Amino acid sequence: KAGVTQTPRYLIKTRGQQVTLSCSPISGHRSVSWYQQTPGQGLQFLFEYFSETQRNKGNFPGRFSGRQFSNSRSEMNVSTLELGDSALYLCASSLTSGNTGELFFGEGSRLTVL
Amino acid sequence: SQQGEEDPQALSIQEGENATMNCSYKTSINNLQWYRQNSGRGLVHLILIRSNEREKHSGRLRVTLDTSKKSSSLLITASRAADTASYFCATDGLRGSYIPTFGRGTSLIVHP
Repeated sequence: KAGVTQTPRYLIKTRGQQVTLSCSPISGHRSVSWYQQTPGQGLQFLFEYFSETQRNKGNFPGRFSGRQFSNSRSEMNVSTLELGDSALYLCASSLTSGNTGELFFGEGSRLTVL
Repeated sequence: SQQGEEDPQALSIQEGENATMNCSYKTSINNLQWYRQNSGRGLVHLILIRSNEREKHSGRLRVTLDTSKKSSSLLITASRAADTASYFCATDGLRGSYIPTFGRGTSLIVHP
């Protein structure tokens, strides 16, 4: 069974640009969560989608958005990039919504904002 | 804000020694999970312990949970160089949410 796939793995953007990251969950998993990881803040929860609906949202500005498609694939978008958005963005999938079991993480998308 | 916080922040040991890391959290939980992350990679689930469990084993891993002290520990016995990684605890319950929130992690270095 294929794992969680995140694309692109690495990208460089400049301030003010926008970026879209993609996540394909494990087949059969309907929940996709996104986390931002930085050295200073650790892993911060962004949002969770389940069956195309945003179920939970972390404390991030509206520049961060996401969506989930009918095949459970998810995208997150960051608009008007700031230097502080440089981070490793991790996607995790699970069978159900919420903390009822194991999260399966992708390798992450490392974003550098110049 | 973090629900769980790991301690110590960094740990350096020799191969063959045991490694113990701790996690403290603030509010009541349904369960607690431990994850491992190799440098710059995704997290890998190690073990989940429910709030009504006190101890769990998986191979060389032993996890304990003390809900009265709001703390958990992860013990890695007979450590190997390949155990070098960051270890995170994830807890739910912050502000009544079921979403796992992660601590800042313990960075473990095992010297061969």
